Amino acid sequence: DVKVTQSSRYLVKRTGEKVFLECVQDMDHENMFWYRQDPGLGLRLIYFSYDVKMKEKGDIPEGYSVSREKKERFSLILESASTNQTSMYLCASSSSGRAGYEQYFGPGTRLTVT
Amino acid sequence: GQNIDQPTEMTATEGAIVQINCTYQTSGFNGLFWYQQHAGEAPTFLSYNVLDGLEEKGRFSSFLSRSKGYSYLLLKELQMKDSASYLCAVSSFSGYSTLTFGKGTMLLVSP
Repeated sequence: DVKVTQSSRYLVKRTGEKVFLECVQDMDHENMFWYRQDPGLGLRLIYFSYDVKMKEKGDIPEGYSVSREKKERFSLILESASTNQTSMYLCASSSSGRAGYEQYFGPGTRLTVT
Repeated sequence: GQNIDQPTEMTATEGAIVQINCTYQTSGFNGLFWYQQHAGEAPTFLSYNVLDGLEEKGRFSSFLSRSKGYSYLLLKELQMKDSASYLCAVSSFSGYSTLTFGKGTMLLVSP
């Protein structure tokens, strides 16, 4: 079974702090994604990566950056956390190829910025 | 841009059949996914349609009409554990394959 793990289930940070959210997958997937999920807005794509050291902006990249130094690990960075970044953050991974391969999700990190 | 619409909430009775509709507008269509998400948990894959027609998998079936930009998820013999949010997601390809999610349909199954 594919396993996607995230470093924390719950996180509380202060405004202005630098925040790191880590995601690791164990299925040798090429593609990794970061989403945030908010009530009434659904899942929105922040950034994704199709290879090591590669990154592409999603629909809402402002205020975020990412890092992918190893194939299995994809990090989301909030350079200076703000209260409007309070949300559920979900990481996902999938196999590569033109076809729409299913994405496997991690359990999520609920981040609160105070 | 992409636009995906699905009802916000639905209710149904245990043992019944429910159909959750999804309409979409997109470019570079590359398939449509349905995911199930229980409260506080991660989304889990239910089905994938890339060609027109019905895909059946146990109690769940999914239908796609590409010309109409329309899909539905059909749940039969509803059980209490089917109470969850159901997410319609459209895959599009423009160099890379990404998913755009609808806002989800919260299904409440009552005894």
